[in-house]
Amino acid sequence: DTEVTQTPKHLVMGMTNKKSLKCEQHMGHRAMYWYKQKAKKPPELMFVYSYEKLSINESVPSRFSPECPNSSLLNLHLHALQPEDSALYLCASSQGGQGLTGNTIYFGEGSWLTVV
Amino acid sequence: AQSVSQHNHHVILSEAASLELGCNYSYGGTVNLFWYVQYPGQHLQLLLKYFSGDPLVKGIKGFEAEFIKSKFSFNLRKPSVQWSDTAEYFCAVNSAPAAGNKLTFGGGTRVLVKP
Repeated sequence: DTEVTQTPKHLVMGMTNKKSLKCEQHMGHRAMYWYKQKAKKPPELMFVYSYEKLSINESVPSRFSPECPNSSLLNLHLHALQPEDSALYLCASSQGGQGLTGNTIYFGEGSWLTVV
Repeated sequence: AQSVSQHNHHVILSEAASLELGCNYSYGGTVNLFWYVQYPGQHLQLLLKYFSGDPLVKGIKGFEAEFIKSKFSFNLRKPSVQWSDTAEYFCAVNSAPAAGNKLTFGGGTRVLVKP
């Protein structure tokens, strides 16, 4: 079983709603990630947090807003999304942060998001 | 920028057949290489990884992969597949430090094992 837990598992939201996806890990990892996976496509990196600081933003639209309250938690705040944002959102974590090799990235089960 | 190519998009084979999935990457520096598997409706699970040392790495469920640096390849193999190996397989490359511990995935290969 994955040690990266994500909630909710499923979320349906309207285009004017504000919602959040949550992720938690207790492996002592200091890097956390958000990936987006569309159907039949590979995961695509959105954000990387290293030691609770945003280190990579892959030109993600501002309607997605990440937050890392502490080393174990990672949130993704959603506002004014579009139907094309519907996807599986994967949280992941790894031992080290930017610049370190030898890191295995562990994924959560994902949150299925549908924007209507 | 690094890129990862998986040449086979779909593979169909029978139980007990051997499986080999190709993966090539483009990056000239130090890389960490991974194969992940995603069973239908499930999350990504790590099959195996290569960081350094013996280029032939063994993973879970009888899978192995060989890193050939000169060919920029990291092909996945299994001598005898089972129906339960039906899944999507992703090769991934992490090219830290240049890319900041960023995992880039190949396009995936859907494997269907017929009983």
